[in-house]
Amino acid sequence: GEEVAQTPKHLVRGEGQKAKLYCAPIKGHSYVFWYQQVLKNEFKFLISFQNENVFDETGMPKERFSAKCLPNSPCSLEIQATKLEDSAVYFCASSQHTRETQYFGPGTRLLVL
Amino acid sequence: AQTVTQSQPEMSVQEAETVTLSCTYDTSESDYYLFWYKQPPSRQMILVIRQEAYKQQNATENRFSVNFQKAAKSFSLKISDSQLGDAAMYFCAYRRGGGTYKYIFGTGTRLKVLA
Repeated sequence: GEEVAQTPKHLVRGEGQKAKLYCAPIKGHSYVFWYQQVLKNEFKFLISFQNENVFDETGMPKERFSAKCLPNSPCSLEIQATKLEDSAVYFCASSQHTRETQYFGPGTRLLVL
Repeated sequence: AQTVTQSQPEMSVQEAETVTLSCTYDTSESDYYLFWYKQPPSRQMILVIRQEAYKQQNATENRFSVNFQKAAKSFSLKISDSQLGDAAMYFCAYRRGGGTYKYIFGTGTRLKVLA
């Protein structure tokens, strides 16, 4: 498609539950990025992919967070055993080449109660 | 490590007037890109303008223009003829030209447009 699609728009989980977020990049874009925007508006980079390969995972809290981009499937970001501080808007972005602008999806708002 | 600083948490402008949002960054790289994104209450991130560090000419997009001062590591956004629809959070972002390509964002400036 012509836009980055993210599902669901909203997700509510109890503390300790699993959360799974999905992202479909713009068709033809090879790079996918995940960012977390916490309620104070700060953005944190989580992970990036080049096609199905992890490109940069320096921002991932590895204990509970995992992500995948498999061929012919939406990319996913999974949080095992959510914590209150995981409440945030999670953005997916894609770009065609490494030097190109990243285009953002509408975000998934995760609320952990 | 690269950092991006937006020192104005909030700015106000009268409709039809001009406002400038400030952004400074710190990097030892020579190859990089700078961006301004607009985030309305819907939270959608909308690209406003992009500047390549190797270009001396300041980028412009209709009512939006930047003042890129490479030596001073400053990248301010000027909005001319402000409209009510310009009200939003504005984020300055930096990205290296090589290596990891993640964005580093500033903390944002909330722009209010007064009728």
